[in-house]
Amino acid sequence: AQKITQTQPGMFVQEKEAVTLDCTYDTSDPSYGLFWYKQPSSGEMIFLIYQGSYDQQNATEGRYSLNFQKARKSANLVISASQLGDSAMYFCAMRRPSGGYNKLIFGAGTRLAVHP
Amino acid sequence: DTGVSQDPRHKITKRGQNVTFRCDPISEHNRLYWYRQTLGQGPEFLTYFQNEAQLEKSRLLSDRFSAERPKGSFSTLEIQRTEQGDSAMYLCASSLSTGGSGNTIYFGEGSWLTVV
Repeated sequence: AQKITQTQPGMFVQEKEAVTLDCTYDTSDPSYGLFWYKQPSSGEMIFLIYQGSYDQQNATEGRYSLNFQKARKSANLVISASQLGDSAMYFCAMRRPSGGYNKLIFGAGTRLAVHP
Repeated sequence: DTGVSQDPRHKITKRGQNVTFRCDPISEHNRLYWYRQTLGQGPEFLTYFQNEAQLEKSRLLSDRFSAERPKGSFSTLEIQRTEQGDSAMYLCASSLSTGGSGNTIYFGEGSWLTVV
């Protein structure tokens, strides 16, 4: 079965420190995409970063980087220099060729709290 | 450049009533998606349109649910004879369809439904 697992229901980090949010996935497809989204209390899902299964390098977008370990089927999000505005739910998601890449499968999410 | 917009943002309805949500995708996006998110969970795929054609429906979409995208632009999601179990946030999203896993799916702020 295709599945995304986020084992950390909640995480705390001190402002300006780095934090890693874990994500493991399960798929037999050789081609897939992995996404991270941020969901503040307002509800909007904000796209953060994307990693393709064939990408040779780990994706980076500003303070966000994705630690992609294909053999372990993990795609952890690293947020450097945490800010108070980073407090939110974070979701890992996967997109597969089955059905033409038409949908994302999400994990249950990790709630991040950044403390001053 | 406007993002995905949804209306209404919040809806409280009595059990048995019908409700309709509207979604306006990003203007050049030909793919449109509906997801449902309950408290403490990640979003779950409901249905997907390419232009005006509804190409995939989840088994979560019971007969009481109907989605349309009549002119390939905005979409509506109607829930008939609402039940308390329908209480959730309904997220609309859109993307381009140039193929592959990397096309980012952009989400709206969601429509919260409470059935009392």
